[in-house]
Parts: sequence; structure tokens; C-alpha cells
Amino acid sequence: GQQVMQIPQYQHVQEGEDFTTYCNSSTTLSNIQWYKQRPGGHPVFLIQLVKSGEVKKQKRLTFQFGEAKKNSSLHITATQTTDVGTYFCAGSAAGNKLTFGGGTRVLVKP
Amino acid sequence: NAGVTQTPKFQVLKTGQSMTLQCAQDMNHEYMSWYRQDPGMGLRLIHYSVGAGITDQGEVPNGYNVSRSTTEDFPLRLLSAAPSQTSVYFCASTLRRTGVSGANVLTFGAGSRLTVL
Repeated sequence: GQQVMQIPQYQHVQEGEDFTTYCNSSTTLSNIQWYKQRPGGHPVFLIQLVKSGEVKKQKRLTFQFGEAKKNSSLHITATQTTDVGTYFCAGSAAGNKLTFGGGTRVLVKP
Repeated sequence: NAGVTQTPKFQVLKTGQSMTLQCAQDMNHEYMSWYRQDPGMGLRLIHYSVGAGITDQGEVPNGYNVSRSTTEDFPLRLLSAAPSQTSVYFCASTLRRTGVSGANVLTFGAGSRLTVL
């Protein structure tokens, strides 16, 4: 079945630095979504990508969908303490269920 | 507009007990689902429903039952709780699973933390 892997599992970042988390699917996806879960909270939708090579930005967050639609990345610029949490990617092939990656847990050192 | 409401927030059970986790949404969403979240495992789909009267199994359905008698409610039943079912459970809904871009974005409830002793 469809598998979605995220790396790294943990990311310790110095405040002000940039980092990238990656999402890889075993199958070609029709779309990919990113969610953020604050500590003790629930996942909250951030963005959806549907086109090959698509890049979307939300303030300091840049999301990219790979040309082959099998991978995606989230790049955060100038990390802040408000970025703490777990970031999940979730992908679906046409007509199939959304499959979540294991998440990247981000810890920010002030 | 309450969104997705889950009850209870916390529950402790003894092995072998049964219980029901409640989930209700007021957004007229067709699709509802249950996930469990365990450390390092991400979110795994237990059961889902594409509409009233229709349910199907997800990735990890064993030990759980669901029903969907109304559009609004999607309860998750643990028939005989086991320590392996200790987890955080999230209910999530979306307007529809496929189709119009953005229509399959999930709205999550606040979660139910279950401990089975």
C-alpha cells in the first residue's frame, strides 16, 4: 500500500536559523497536504499542493511539490519559537485515502 | 460554529472494559474519520465514513467498531480495551474526500487521550 515517509523525525533548530523537512511517497500522488500540530494540540491544516513542481509560500514557510509528484518539502526561514511543533505531510493518490507521514518534530533553541 | 467536537478529552480504562469515543461535527461534512496517534508513528487511520450509513476500515481497524447513523455523528467503540490501544485518538472530517481542490482538507477535533491499564 501507499507509504509516506518524513525526514528527519526530529529537528533541533537554533532560533533564527533555517531548516527543511522532507516528505517522500512510495507512489505518485494527486495532491499533498501539510499540517502543523502544536504540543498538546491537534493537527491544523497549513496548505495543499496539487501541481507538479508547485511552490507556495506562507510568510516564512515555503512548500514545494516535486516534479514527479512523489515528494515534497517544507522550508522554514528564520525559525521562531512559534514554529515549535510537529509538521505532518499527508498524501493521497486519486480516489484513495489520505496517508500521513510520521511527522517532523521541531524544537527551537532560543 | 463548533467544528469537530470530541468527548471525552481524557479516559482511563481497565483491560477488557468497553467504551465509546464520541465525535460530532456541525459543518455538514460528508466524510468523517478516526485516527490514532502514537509516538513516532504519525497518524494512522482506524475507520472512516463517506456518508451516513457507510463505513469502511482504515489501516488499523482491529479492536474498534464504528457506525454512522447521522451525518453529524461518528462514534468509535472499543469493544474490549487492551493496553495496546493506549493512544491519542483524533476524529477528523472533510466536506468530501475527493473532487474539488481543497474539499478534502481535514478538520480535526481536539483529541481524546485514552489510557488502558
